[in-house]
Amino acid sequence: QVQLVESGGGVVQPGGSLRLSCAASGFTFSSYAMHWVRQAPGKGLEWVAYIQWSGEYKFYADSVKGRFTISRDNLKNTVYLQMNSLRPDDTAVYYCAKVVPGDPPQPFDQWGQGTLVTVSS
Amino acid sequence: ETVMTQSPATLSVSPGEGATLSCRASQSINNNLAWYQQKPGQAPRLLIYGASTRATGVPARFSGSGSGTEFTLTITSLQSEDFAVYFCQGYQKWLWTFGQGTKVEIK
Repeated sequence: QVQLVESGGGVVQPGGSLRLSCAASGFTFSSYAMHWVRQAPGKGLEWVAYIQWSGEYKFYADSVKGRFTISRDNLKNTVYLQMNSLRPDDTAVYYCAKVVPGDPPQPFDQWGQGTLVTVSS
Repeated sequence: ETVMTQSPATLSVSPGEGATLSCRASQSINNNLAWYQQKPGQAPRLLIYGASTRATGVPARFSGSGSGTEFTLTITSLQSEDFAVYFCQGYQKWLWTFGQGTKVEIK
């Protein structure tokens, strides 16, 4: 079965950096676009970033553009989110998600359990 | 940017009754609309995509309808496990936007 396991969350000071990882299994990872989505404590869902199956195309929410970078390693079945210049309002649970099969754009049919990022001094 | 607006914010329903949740897009998204269910401490679960296609394993009591800017999620005969928060999501090239959520609570 599909499994997505995020890691790398933790507490970081404002202005700091963190890299999240999402290890995928149970499907042909290299054939699917992947996303990162976040959820601030007690709040709704916010799409963060998209990466095409090959890694060639990437798109970001305006709130993270220029600070966050999504990447992937299809040999390691892993997608990453490099987060720089972190701010307190980046505090959230970060989920990676797999897309529904089909021509883009598609919604997300599998999600990881999430990893908590806390930005605080 | 397309803004997704859900209503109501909270819906109080008795078990066994039906529920209708609404989602409005600020501009047409054709049928590029998904619904997710989220329970406390869990990741969201895809229920509906393409406005009306049930995801794998989703019970038939969940149905979606609409196109363009107006969408509806209907849950017939709510079960105890259906009390949760529901999010709609519009998806276009290359932006994925969530509504703020509707909490379905036990009346």
